[in-house]
Amino acid sequence: DVKVTQSSRYLVKRTGEKVFLECVQDMDHENMFWYRQDPGLGLRLIYFSYDVKMKEKGDIPEGYSVSREKKERFSLILESASTNQTSMYLCASGRGVGTQYFGPGTRLLVL
Amino acid sequence: AQSVSQHNHHVILSEAASLELGCNYSYGGTVNLFWYVQYPGQHLQLLLKYFSGDPLVKGIKGFEAEFIKSKFSFNLRKPSVQWSDTAEYFCAVIDTGRRALTFGSGTRLQVQP
Repeated sequence: DVKVTQSSRYLVKRTGEKVFLECVQDMDHENMFWYRQDPGLGLRLIYFSYDVKMKEKGDIPEGYSVSREKKERFSLILESASTNQTSMYLCASGRGVGTQYFGPGTRLLVL
Repeated sequence: AQSVSQHNHHVILSEAASLELGCNYSYGGTVNLFWYVQYPGQHLQLLLKYFSGDPLVKGIKGFEAEFIKSKFSFNLRKPSVQWSDTAEYFCAVIDTGRRALTFGSGTRLQVQP
């Protein structure tokens, strides 16, 4: 069974804080993704990575950065959290253009 | 950029009713198509997928979808819904050049017993 884990289920942070969200997958997938999920908007791609140390911007990268130092781990960084970054963050992994497998999500509240 | 449209935002059905959820995408090239489901409090999980071959694909829990290339559509169907189908359903597309999914806005299905 594919397993994608995320470091936290719930986080509460203050405006201006630096926030780290971590994701780990155990299937040796080359591709990893960060999406945010908002009601009525579906899931929107923030960043993705197709190899270690490689990254590409998604549709809404502003205010975010990512890090992939090891194949199994993909981190999302909010450099200075803002209230409009309150959302559900979903990590996924996959191969090529095939099925993506999702983690349980991190619900982030920025006060 | 490609886009995915789900026409129904909130659907309420009684048990045993038939279901059809619409999905249209904008990309004209080769795509892989997916339906994902998110049950309350659970992970997003794959319901079914279409890569090539028979345009009528069957997924888990009695769901099926039909790919109609000329209409850029990939509608989800189930002949008889159950209360346990209450969930949010997302249509998604990957084009072969991008690798990342483009999602529709989702359809919240509520099945009343």
